[in-house]
Amino acid sequence: GAVVSQHPSRVICKSGTSVKIECRSLDFQATTMFWYRQFPKQSLMLMATSNEGSKATYEQGVEKDKFLINHASLTLSTLTVTSAHPEDSSFYICSARRQPGTDTQYFGPGTRLTVL
Amino acid sequence: DQQVKQNSPSLSVQEGRISILNCDYTNSMFDYFLWYKKYPAEGPTFLISISSIKDKNEDGRFTVFLNKSAKHLSLHIVPSQPGDSAVYFCAASGLIYNQGGKLIFGQGTELSVKP
Repeated sequence: GAVVSQHPSRVICKSGTSVKIECRSLDFQATTMFWYRQFPKQSLMLMATSNEGSKATYEQGVEKDKFLINHASLTLSTLTVTSAHPEDSSFYICSARRQPGTDTQYFGPGTRLTVL
Repeated sequence: DQQVKQNSPSLSVQEGRISILNCDYTNSMFDYFLWYKKYPAEGPTFLISISSIKDKNEDGRFTVFLNKSAKHLSLHIVPSQPGDSAVYFCAASGLIYNQGGKLIFGQGTELSVKP
């Protein structure tokens, strides 16, 4: 299989603090990982594409200074929500592409972020 | 601009019958299509995919049909089971995104299979 994990699964934080979410591919190496955000009853919105060893590519409208992405190894990408505000509360999901040249992405279980 | 559209937000089907979920796209550059299943508070699970060189792909109870001229694809589940109840997303990709592997998702259709 292609297993992707995320940690933590749920986090509650105070406004103004920073939160780090980890995404790991457990049984394969992922040169490319993706970060999505999902609002209730809505589709998955791609935030950024994370490539191992290089800077992330952010989608239009996503603040790169607010959502810091690091892809330091072939099995780990992190998303840090800096100076979180209540409007950042959402369900964040990562995915990993198993190998270059294929478009199938395997998703993590998601992280529910609540900013008070 | 919604490039991938699932116009039915919900679908209710009786157990044992066929479920048909539809998806339309606008970008003729898309050449790879996928279906994902998602339960609440979980990440999507990959179900089945189809390349634009095919018009049908089958995997067990799941079959995806692609009509390129109509820019339409559908997912058939037969027979439907209560455990199939979930939100189904279609997604598309293409050469324009191939280097990055970017997927464009539809809005999702919530399937409810009643016993």
